[in-house]
Amino acid sequence: GQQLNQSPQSMFIQEGEDVSMNCTSSSIFNTWLWYKQDPGEGPVLLIALYKAGELTSNGRLTAQFGITRKDSFLNISASIPSDVGIYFCAGFDNYGQNFVFGPGTRLSVLP
Amino acid sequence: SAVISQKPSRDICQRGTSLTIQCQVDSQVTMMFWYRQQPGQSLTLIATANQGSEATYESGFVIDKFPISRPNLTFSTLTVSNMSPEDSSIYLCSVIDRGREQFFGPGTRLTVL
Repeated sequence: GQQLNQSPQSMFIQEGEDVSMNCTSSSIFNTWLWYKQDPGEGPVLLIALYKAGELTSNGRLTAQFGITRKDSFLNISASIPSDVGIYFCAGFDNYGQNFVFGPGTRLSVLP
Repeated sequence: SAVISQKPSRDICQRGTSLTIQCQVDSQVTMMFWYRQQPGQSLTLIATANQGSEATYESGFVIDKFPISRPNLTFSTLTVSNMSPEDSSIYLCSVIDRGREQFFGPGTRLTVL
């Protein structure tokens, strides 16, 4: 079945730095979603993208739906300690039938 | 967006017993999903639960092990039967809202001794 790849798998950054992570697929997706999961909690939806090329912001977060429809990136600007967590990309395939999760990017923010 | 609650939030169970997890949504939704998240892993779909029909299970998951009920459009249960330590995971329910956005409950953290 379809799989999503996320990179990097994990990252350590200094507080205040900007962060970029991406998600790629071997097949076309028609929706991209980015989630953040804190320890012991369920994933929380951060941003939803519906059209190729779409660029959407949510506070310090910005995500883009790649033109090829096979990738998406998430940027976090001016990171803060509460940004720590696992960031998952997810999406519906081109037929809208299968919802797929990426393996996640684990973010650590150092003070 | 839909607000989802789960009970219990966590439990510690003995091998061979069963646990039923409840999922409540604050609005009527057609499709509800149950996921498992093993330690340090991503989410794996167990089954899709639609009201009025039997749940649809993903490969590797069977109804005898994970029976699901969906009595109405706001509620579902997942039972983890005859538990073993390998069933220790976080179990999450989710719903589709606003067409293509999937929202998750807070999860139930299960530890099987």
